[in-house]
Amino acid sequence: EPEVTQTPSHQVTQMGQEVILRCVPISNHLYFYWYRQILGQKVEFLVSFYNNEISEKSEIFDDQFSVERPDGSNFTLKIRSTKLEDSAMYFCASSGPMGTSGGHEQFFGPGTRLTVL
Amino acid sequence: AQSVTQLDSQVPVFEEAPVELRCNYSSSVSVYLFWYVQYPNQGLQLLLKYLSGSTLVESINGFEAEFNKSQTSFHLRTPSVHIRDTAEYFCAVRSGMGAQKLVFGQGTRLTINP
Repeated sequence: EPEVTQTPSHQVTQMGQEVILRCVPISNHLYFYWYRQILGQKVEFLVSFYNNEISEKSEIFDDQFSVERPDGSNFTLKIRSTKLEDSAMYFCASSGPMGTSGGHEQFFGPGTRLTVL
Repeated sequence: AQSVTQLDSQVPVFEEAPVELRCNYSSSVSVYLFWYVQYPNQGLQLLLKYLSGSTLVESINGFEAEFNKSQTSFHLRTPSVHIRDTAEYFCAVRSGMGAQKLVFGQGTRLTINP
């Protein structure tokens, strides 16, 4: 069964450093997402991406964040200068074409735990 | 804007007992509703969804949820839980008006005691 994969599973970084979190969405999906979950808090939407551009973003997704689909398979989240409060589990998700039943389901990866020291 | 409230952060139950996990949402537009489950050390998996039609939706592993528009609720229940159901359960809502983001509740940790 196709699945979303994420690497690394755990990333430890120093405050102020740049990190790139990587995701491989399901191959025929068109919509890609990043969410995060700070320990003990809700899963929060960060950004959605379609047709090589951001389609929606939250207030959390400020200038320190960026997303990219550098090739036909990867989808990355970059944090330019990490802060202590960026420590969280980051989930990537993807979904199929809208207008189909599969388009309403977002498939999630296992997450990357980011620890900022 | 949508919001989701899961009233119980933790629910301990005995094996084979019935259980209901509560979810209420607020939205000014039509919505799609979802329950996701997160087993230990795994990602989020879709358990069931309400898009339209019958207000009672079922999963393949014995869970069901009922969309109640008047009470803005989408409670998840099963008549008999099993040890394998130990997980965190998240209710989520998505606007039916084009926005794609999911808005999640805080999650309910279901703990099954033998």
